[in-house]
Amino acid sequence: DAGVTQSPTHLIKTRGQQVTLRCSPISGHKSVSWYQQVLGQGPQFIFQYYEKEERGRGNFPDRFSARQFPNYSSELNVNALLLGDSALYLCASSFGGVNEKLFFGSGTQLSVL
Amino acid sequence: GESVGLHLPTLSVQEGDNSIINCAYSNSASDYFIWYKQESGKGPQFIIDIRSNMDKRQGQRVTVLLNKTVKHLSLQIAATQPGDSAVYFCAENQAGTALIFGKGTTLSVSS
Repeated sequence: DAGVTQSPTHLIKTRGQQVTLRCSPISGHKSVSWYQQVLGQGPQFIFQYYEKEERGRGNFPDRFSARQFPNYSSELNVNALLLGDSALYLCASSFGGVNEKLFFGSGTQLSVL
Repeated sequence: GESVGLHLPTLSVQEGDNSIINCAYSNSASDYFIWYKQESGKGPQFIIDIRSNMDKRQGQRVTVLLNKTVKHLSLQIAATQPGDSAVYFCAENQAGTALIFGKGTTLSVSS
């Protein structure tokens, strides 16, 4: 069975641009979470979606937005990119219950120049 | 605040030794804890989890210990192998909230 898939794997953008990252969860999983991982740090929570509804949001500016589609795939959008947005963006999926382990994709490495 | 931290940023061991990676958490309301392993260029990989109604759980070559009194979590890896070299993260959550990660411990195994 396929795991969590993310695209693209690498992306280079310039300041002020907008980016869309994509994620397909494990088949049967209804919840998708997004994390930002800066080099040398642990992943930081950005969003969680369940059944197309936002279930939680981390401490990130409004430039960050996300959505989940009827097939449970998800997109993360970041507007007006800053140099500090350079990071590995991780998507994780789960069935959607409480206190569940998350299954992570390999991430999208975003570089903002 | 609701943060999860690790005691040591790096740990170096010899192949065959047992490794112990420690983690302190600050949210006494957290009731679920997970250990993840992250290799270079990959996403975090689930190792083992434990709920707050337990104090020990064993997997294949790994054991997680939870001490709620001092808010401490540890991961023990038996007979450490070079393939165990990676960054290890502990993560916590309280029911209904997001999984919060610590900063990670880099485990280096030399043969």
